[in-house]
Amino acid sequence: QQQVKQSPQSLIVQKGGISIINCAYENTAFDYFPWYQQFPGKGPALLIAIRPDVSEKKEGRFTISFNKSAKQFSLHIMDSQPGDSATYFCAALRGNTGKLIFGQGTTLQVKP
Amino acid sequence: EAGVVQSPRYKIIEKKQPVAFWCNPISGHNTLYWYRQNLGQGPELLIRYENEEAVDDSQLPKDRFSAERLKGVDSTLKIQPAELGDSAVYLCASSFSGTGNTIYFGEGSWLTVV
Repeated sequence: QQQVKQSPQSLIVQKGGISIINCAYENTAFDYFPWYQQFPGKGPALLIAIRPDVSEKKEGRFTISFNKSAKQFSLHIMDSQPGDSATYFCAALRGNTGKLIFGQGTTLQVKP
Repeated sequence: EAGVVQSPRYKIIEKKQPVAFWCNPISGHNTLYWYRQNLGQGPELLIRYENEEAVDDSQLPKDRFSAERLKGVDSTLKIQPAELGDSAVYLCASSFSGTGNTIYFGEGSWLTVV
């Protein structure tokens, strides 16, 4: 059973555009929602994270929007750059279990 | 400060052979994780250590996989014997319980079983 569903699977955006990746979760016990960025041949790197007590978190060009009632959250990348081209994973975590449940990943390509 | 260090980065072995991966977590991090990432998928937890104790190994295939974390720092993940389906990236990660849920990953050990 896929507890975190991520879409789209792939995304192509022009330089300077906005990239939007969506995730939906099922388990209301999740209380921590990170986004990871992964470049080919590298491990996942923590990008930004949010807890369900806030609806939005912004760090530079990256923003997480969180809708607790809909059990959905999304990553917005403003002014997308070719260097942002990577695979992005949303994830969810319950308490201190350490068991991150990852989405299927979104491959982003930003065209110059 | 150094991140999570893993070795080897790449390994190609024949099926039925053993393989071992080593991980050195971020200094001071008491929690260590091994995740497995299959091609085109997100990582999945295999085992979690709190200091020396394996507190969650429910996803570890114990018939062929084993792990240890002696002295609560470095860890080793072993597969014996390896099967074709074990080809994946084995990611080590660590966190410090005092700073909440932030989990940091290493660059992974890429295993190909032929």
